[in-house]
Amino acid sequence: DGGITQSPKYLFRKEGQNVTLSCEQNLNHDAMYWYRQDPGQGLRLIYYSQIVNDFQKGDIAEGYSVSREKKESFPLTVTSAQKNPTAFYLCASSARDTSYLGANVLTFGAGSRLTVL
Amino acid sequence: SQQGEEDPQALSIQEGENATMNCSYKTSINNLQWYRQNSGRGLVHLILIRSNEREKHSGRLRVTLDTSKKSSSLLITASRAADTASYFCATPRDSNYQLIWGAGTKLIIKP
Repeated sequence: DGGITQSPKYLFRKEGQNVTLSCEQNLNHDAMYWYRQDPGQGLRLIYYSQIVNDFQKGDIAEGYSVSREKKESFPLTVTSAQKNPTAFYLCASSARDTSYLGANVLTFGAGSRLTVL
Repeated sequence: SQQGEEDPQALSIQEGENATMNCSYKTSINNLQWYRQNSGRGLVHLILIRSNEREKHSGRLRVTLDTSKKSSSLLITASRAADTASYFCATPRDSNYQLIWGAGTKLIIKP
């Protein structure tokens, strides 16, 4: 079945540690995204990648880093510079839509919940 | 900054009733999307409406778009317990890659 796999589902981090969240897709989508969701809030964009070996900062990139070495994979590293990393992290992907008034319809993974101890 | 704002923040109805939730946005858009999120899970795309469309249907879902009022509504007819979830609207900002999300409407369907 095609989809997006995020791992781990739950992750605990001590202060000062870097952690990496995995995101793998087999949908052959060009674009991939990382979002952060805090309780009762909408999604905020951390980073996105339109194509392999290229990525752009979103609204809240500080304290995070990404890589896009393969089309299928877009890992997110939460660094010690991120002061409040406890949140629900969602990875998504989309196919390119070049149609008139086109849109990028996102397919999401099940999410990774990060808790800082 | 958040552009989409859903209203109401929470909605509780009896099974079988219709549920309506609204989304307002601030700038001109090419399209608007609605997504559903079950508790603790990822989001699922429900429906996309483009700026040259006024209404769209998908099963029990009906979406309207009023570009003059910069608002959209999502109607779920004949609600079921399985419709219990949070519903989000998303609009593009600088590009279709940068979606702006509202805080969502939490819908509870009582059996």
